[in-house]
Amino acid sequence: DSGVTQTPKHLITATGQRVTLRCSPRSGDLSVYWYQQSLDQGLQFLIQYYNGEERAKGNILERFSAQQFPDLHSELNLSSLELGDSALYFCASSVVRGWDEAFFGQGTRLTVV
Amino acid sequence: QQPVQSPQAVILREGEDAVINCSSSKALYSVHWYRQKHGEAPIFLMILLKGGEQKGHDKISASFNEKKQQSSLYLTASQLSYSGTYFCGTEAQGGSEKLVFGKGTKLTVNP
Repeated sequence: DSGVTQTPKHLITATGQRVTLRCSPRSGDLSVYWYQQSLDQGLQFLIQYYNGEERAKGNILERFSAQQFPDLHSELNLSSLELGDSALYFCASSVVRGWDEAFFGQGTRLTVV
Repeated sequence: QQPVQSPQAVILREGEDAVINCSSSKALYSVHWYRQKHGEAPIFLMILLKGGEQKGHDKISASFNEKKQQSSLYLTASQLSYSGTYFCGTEAQGGSEKLVFGKGTKLTVNP
């Protein structure tokens, strides 16, 4: 158990819908990262937050948004969902702002039908 | 730009050694290595920083050639538990804090 909690574990939704994925980082970790993993694209970095502020942005679509709350948990919002958004979404956390050992949650499996 | 990993897949017998390579076309600040078993989350193995600093697990070794923008992960005396997909992630110089992962190398260790 990495100490990073993601909910829900599985999510099935229809195209055009909006979903919210939640991540609780390890106790004491200030940085949260979101990744998307699909079979053809591999592990894609989406976005990073540090202590409530956005630090780095990767290949995150405009339909996607994220935020980190004062209690340090983070949410990834996916809207106007398309079939291609079906993937495993991981959240990871680390202590420091820069890149350091990151601990991954078990992921949320999103299926868009 | 996505780093290139080689080989794409490798099959070993227990006790054999393997080297996984990661190459980037950009000047790098850091290289990160993770292992992921099927159906599980990636697990941190090592970070190598420009200038020689490293952080990682004792049983894992890796190198970082800053001039060639290449990193290699060395798996010696492989165990069954080493099986999984190995990903390298690279951060370009400039401190962008964006980590770009390669497509992975699938390692299978057989008895």
